[in-house]
Amino acid sequence: NAGVTQTPKFRVLKTGQSMTLLCAQDMNHEYMYWYRQDPGMGLRLIHYSVGEGTTAKGEVPDGYNVSRLKKQNFLLGLESAAPSQTSVYFCASGNKADTQYFGPGTRLTVL
Amino acid sequence: TQLLEQSPQFLSIQEGENLTVYCNSSSVFSSLQWYRQEPGEGPVLLVTVVTGGEVKKLKRLTFQFGDARKDSSLHITAAQPGDTGLYLCAGRNNRLAFGKGNQVVVIP
Repeated sequence: NAGVTQTPKFRVLKTGQSMTLLCAQDMNHEYMYWYRQDPGMGLRLIHYSVGEGTTAKGEVPDGYNVSRLKKQNFLLGLESAAPSQTSVYFCASGNKADTQYFGPGTRLTVL
Repeated sequence: TQLLEQSPQFLSIQEGENLTVYCNSSSVFSSLQWYRQEPGEGPVLLVTVVTGGEVKKLKRLTFQFGDARKDSSLHITAAQPGDTGLYLCAGRNNRLAFGKGNQVVVIP
């Protein structure tokens, strides 16, 4: 049981490039979340999903898109990366709205 | 936006000492959670408190939810180096909102 895994662990992009972050969970959880964590800002919710095929905007959704085609996977896309998107990205999943298991994070730098 | 203020932002203490950190808000929450995050890892849930005035203990950690369900405290007794980490509180109404964290360093 791997829990929540995130791919890749590190990535460096140039401004304007695109990329997809993958989150996978093997706990059969309904809820999945994408957060970003920045110094002095804490964890902020980007997008979330309450089930396969559904997504919703969080606190800071601009510049990001998500998809939940399979229950176990939640993808976060950056279509045109900007330096302001330099951050550590965390995925989380849970079976209840207030229970979240976090992945190890993806450290993204946009030059 | 539910604003959670955590204080102090940074705390450094000697092994064996006690410490208390705080999480305060002007909002009322249906529940409040505490997480610990170690460098390079994701947050790990420590406890969820639901009832005003509720106290929960996890070994040497004591968590209290304020009577009005707007604030919470975390007390660590006889701190150990393994307690070092970023402690995050998160309050729930419609969504879970996180504070910025209390960075705790326990010096051996």
